[in-house]
Amino acid sequence: GIQVEQSPPDLILQEGANSTLRCNFSDSVNNLQWFHQNPWGQLINLFYIPSGTKQNGRLSATTVATERYSLLYISSSQTTDSGVYFCAVVASGTYKYIFGTGTRLKVLA
Amino acid sequence: EPEVTQTPSHQVTQMGQEVILRCVPISNHLYFYWYRQILGQKVEFLVSFYNNEISEKSEIFDDQFSVERPDGSNFTLKIRSTKLEDSAMYFCASSEGAGPSGNQPQHFGDGTRLSIL
Repeated sequence: GIQVEQSPPDLILQEGANSTLRCNFSDSVNNLQWFHQNPWGQLINLFYIPSGTKQNGRLSATTVATERYSLLYISSSQTTDSGVYFCAVVASGTYKYIFGTGTRLKVLA
Repeated sequence: EPEVTQTPSHQVTQMGQEVILRCVPISNHLYFYWYRQILGQKVEFLVSFYNNEISEKSEIFDDQFSVERPDGSNFTLKIRSTKLEDSAMYFCASSEGAGPSGNQPQHFGDGTRLSIL
């Protein structure tokens, strides 16, 4: 089945710093979403981005489906950005999301 | 904005007991899903459901598990004879479209934390 790898696995930033999180996938996909899992365990949808570029405030994402990767950019990070960031993909011909192993982000004040 | 609602938020059950986790998907959505996340691990797909039948399931979703849409608004996951290793966060999700019908984003509920004692 499709493999989804995220990097880096862990990231520590000072408040105000910028970061780039990467998601690589091993096969063609129909869907891709980025989620932020907060300390209470909730999965917060950040972007639905099977292709192209989107921006929402300090966050932006780019998916290059033909090269099988997606990037999540966080600018001017805040302590509330801490948590685990997951990308999830739906492989062609299936219904299910396959989640990556996540990037655990800690933003220090 | 419409939300997927899950109840209860936390369920504690004795090993061997049956448990039912409940979800109310977004009202105009047609595709429904259950996922689980064991503490510290990634989120794993369990099952997808469309038109009153299972459309896809993982190897985790064995005879211990079942899903049902009993009344047109609720979507339930039943776990029979629970085991310690069933302890996890269970997420329900729904989408307008999927697969051949055209993929749409999946909207996730806040999860039910299941603890098996």
